[in-house]
Amino acid sequence: DVVLTQTLVAQPVRLGDQASISCRSSQSLVHSDGHTYLEWYLQKPGQSPQLLIYEVSNRFSGVPDRFSGSGSGSDFTLKISRVEPEDLGVYYCFEGTHELTFGSGTKLEIK
Amino acid sequence: EVQILETGGGLVKPGGSLRLSCATSGFNFNDYFMNWVRQAPGKGLEWVAQIRNKNYNYATYYAESLEGRVTISRDDSKSSVYLQVSSLRAEDTAIYYCTRLAPYWYFDFWGPGTMVTVSS
Repeated sequence: DVVLTQTLVAQPVRLGDQASISCRSSQSLVHSDGHTYLEWYLQKPGQSPQLLIYEVSNRFSGVPDRFSGSGSGSDFTLKISRVEPEDLGVYYCFEGTHELTFGSGTKLEIK
Repeated sequence: EVQILETGGGLVKPGGSLRLSCATSGFNFNDYFMNWVRQAPGKGLEWVAQIRNKNYNYATYYAESLEGRVTISRDDSKSSVYLQVSSLRAEDTAIYYCTRLAPYWYFDFWGPGTMVTVSS
């Protein structure tokens, strides 16, 4: 089984600072077709999840450029530069390469 | 505008069954794979089931934890997808989301979810 490991709570950040959230997979997420199907979703309080990043580093339509994704193989990071109040919520990584697995989520808190 | 709306949730006794519906509009439903994802109260997201489109013979896939108790189906004429869940347990209590899978294998649109509560 694929396990995606995320820290439960990110290091509290001040508004305007950068936040970094990590996601580590128990297996490489490189698909046999050469793509890496690693995504990031944000679930704001009381809302459905929303897609931020797909295939490691591609921003979804309408997502601000202060969100960026990076990584390869089994180690991935979501960075949020200049955190704003509307960025609060729980961030989930997700792999579509193997078994369609979500990470356990990382809550972004403001200092 | 893409719209997704789940219905059919409610209070069910343990051992009972439920059929959730997901009505969609605003896109060519026939082209897409559809999925159900659930979230227990205060917990994370869990992928539940997927149904592919006609080009893939409506192939279905299920989370191992639920296999045998869930059935996903679709009606392309109604742009709708369904989830039948049987032998319900307390741990099936969750918000069930319907979501569209885009070609690059991401969930690009989600419904607001429907709450299922399993309790006696």
